[in-house]
Amino acid sequence: GDSVTQMEGPVTLSEEAFLTINCTYTATGYPSLFWYVQYPGEGLQLLLKATKADDKGSNKGFEATYRKETTSFHLEKGSVQVSDSAVYFCALIANGGSQGNLIFGKGTKLSVKP
Amino acid sequence: DTGVSQDPRHKITKRGQNVTFRCDPISEHNRLYWYRQTLGQGPEFLTYFQNEAQLEKSRLLSDRFSAERPKGSFSTLEIQRTEQGDSAMYLCASSLTGGRGDTQYFGPGTRLTVL
Repeated sequence: GDSVTQMEGPVTLSEEAFLTINCTYTATGYPSLFWYVQYPGEGLQLLLKATKADDKGSNKGFEATYRKETTSFHLEKGSVQVSDSAVYFCALIANGGSQGNLIFGKGTKLSVKP
Repeated sequence: DTGVSQDPRHKITKRGQNVTFRCDPISEHNRLYWYRQTLGQGPEFLTYFQNEAQLEKSRLLSDRFSAERPKGSFSTLEIQRTEQGDSAMYLCASSLTGGRGDTQYFGPGTRLTVL
């Protein structure tokens, strides 16, 4: 079945470091891909999304490119801040799924130290 | 702010008791989803509504679980005869149309603890 695999955390970085969180997926056809973020004490928020191959989603300095050939949607940021400390979830909506529910990875906890 | 709201935010109950959670979606959204999240895991799909119709239920949703969305507005999720394995965060999300590129907006969740 459809699934998402993302790198396990926790990831600890110093402020201004480069961030990559790997995400790969298994799905038939062309799923839509998402990154959601959960800040401490808050609900899940959409960070960025891409709905077709080679699309790049971007928001708040974060970027991810939909790579069909490698079935990946890695999250990157050039210079992280302490305020980026959160749990990041990669997710997909299957192409053939009429219900449109999100399928999530397990999440990666990021801690950024000053 | 008219985001998705959930009530209560926390619920502690004893095994065997019934509990009910409420979700108020963004007002113009037709789709409403319920997910469950356990510690260290991503959210898992439980069920969804298109307006007032419940169109899909996950295998995770046992017969002890029931959900409603009367009049296509707020939704309730009831768990009967709770078990310790039901302890989790229950998340509600809504979206405008349910298309595969449509953004789902999540509520803050209801944390259930079954003693």
